[in-house]
Amino acid sequence: GAVVSQHPSWVICKSGTSVKIECRSLDFQATTMFWYRQFPKQSLMLMATSNEGSKATYEQGVEKDKFLINHASLTLSTLTVTSAHPEDSSFYICSARVGGQVNTQYFGPGTRLTVL
Amino acid sequence: AQSVTQLDSQVPVFEEAPVELRCNYSSSVSVYLFWYVQYPNQGLQLLLKYLSGSTLVKGINGFEAEFNKSQTSFHLRKPSVHISDTAEYFCAVSLSGGSNYKLTFGKGTLLTVNP
Repeated sequence: GAVVSQHPSWVICKSGTSVKIECRSLDFQATTMFWYRQFPKQSLMLMATSNEGSKATYEQGVEKDKFLINHASLTLSTLTVTSAHPEDSSFYICSARVGGQVNTQYFGPGTRLTVL
Repeated sequence: AQSVTQLDSQVPVFEEAPVELRCNYSSSVSVYLFWYVQYPNQGLQLLLKYLSGSTLVKGINGFEAEFNKSQTSFHLRKPSVHISDTAEYFCAVSLSGGSNYKLTFGKGTLLTVNP
């Protein structure tokens, strides 16, 4: 149980284009989802917290207009990287919190974004 | 704000040897503590967590960790490692209580198990 999927697993795009990454909770409802960014050989940095039906809460330093987050249902959150540039290349990981399980997040497999 | 320090960035060990991955945290309030494992190009998998109660926590794959409040530590241990344990291990904390579910991660420890 508590499986989180991400799609796509990897994507290559041209500079200036937008890329959408999906995060789904497959066997549970996730009231809260989180988006992280991980640079090579480094830790995870929280980008934003996404609550179903409301606007995402972004961490300091994260551009809201560049990283658009939508949490339209209890099983789906999306991250759109708008006007991507090479410096946006990274590993993006989402997680979902299971209601009733104290502070436990289940992580997706991640999406490798490469911007040329 | 809370913070996590993983004292070793890399830990090489031989197969079947014991291992300890160290984690210290800093927080002015009570926290929950977690250990996650990340295999190459994958997401994170929860190994174990401490929320309350017994300070010795047992997790999956034979790992265990002990919460030491006086030393603000949550070290991860395994008595005998396998090649398949080679991975990046992250210690994380979150505030206990309330509705703040954010996790703060350490920088990770790369465990390499050699034959």
